[in-house]
Amino acid sequence: GAVVSQHPSRVICKSGTSVKIECRSLDFQATTMFWYRQFPKKSLMLMATSNEGSKATYEQGVEKDKFLINHASLTLSTLTVTSAHPEDSSFYICSAAWTSGQYFGPGTRLTVL
Amino acid sequence: QKEVEQDPGPLSVPEGAIVSLNCTYSNSAFQYFMWYRQYSRKGPELLMYTYSSGNKEDGRFTAQVDKSSKYISLFIRDSQPSDSATYLCAMRLNSGGGADGLTFGKGTHLIIQP
Repeated sequence: GAVVSQHPSRVICKSGTSVKIECRSLDFQATTMFWYRQFPKKSLMLMATSNEGSKATYEQGVEKDKFLINHASLTLSTLTVTSAHPEDSSFYICSAAWTSGQYFGPGTRLTVL
Repeated sequence: QKEVEQDPGPLSVPEGAIVSLNCTYSNSAFQYFMWYRQYSRKGPELLMYTYSSGNKEDGRFTAQVDKSSKYISLFIRDSQPSDSATYLCAMRLNSGGGADGLTFGKGTHLIIQP
């Protein structure tokens, strides 16, 4: 149990375009999902908390207008990187809270050219 | 001072050795503690989840929490080359329903030599 999927696993886009990343809990319902970002050889940094049916809560320093989060159902949260720039290139990972911890998706590697 | 301190390594040990990984933290409000294993370019995999001080064992893994010292450890017995990965400690506050994000250590890169 507690499987989380992400799509796509890898995306390359041009600067200025928008990219949407999906996070799904496959075998459980997740009221709360989280989005993290990980730069090479760095730890995971929490970007935002996604709550089903309400607005996301963003961590300090994360632009909510740039990183749009939608949690439309108990099994799906999406992160849209708007007007992406090369500095947004990173490994984006979602997680979902379950009774015995947080379970992570496989991650999405975003490269902005 | 960072909230969670973890030696990034690399830590290299021979196959079969007991591995000891640890983290210290400064925020006494952290109540839940986790250890994750992350292979290169993959998402973290939950290994251990603990709440109270003391030991928790699962197979070759033992997690230890000392809240009074703000110190947590992960022990790996009979280490295997397949255990080679980055091990991340993580912790969160005590709010209902797990609605808090995790604060991670930097991760320790572990290498098990065959």
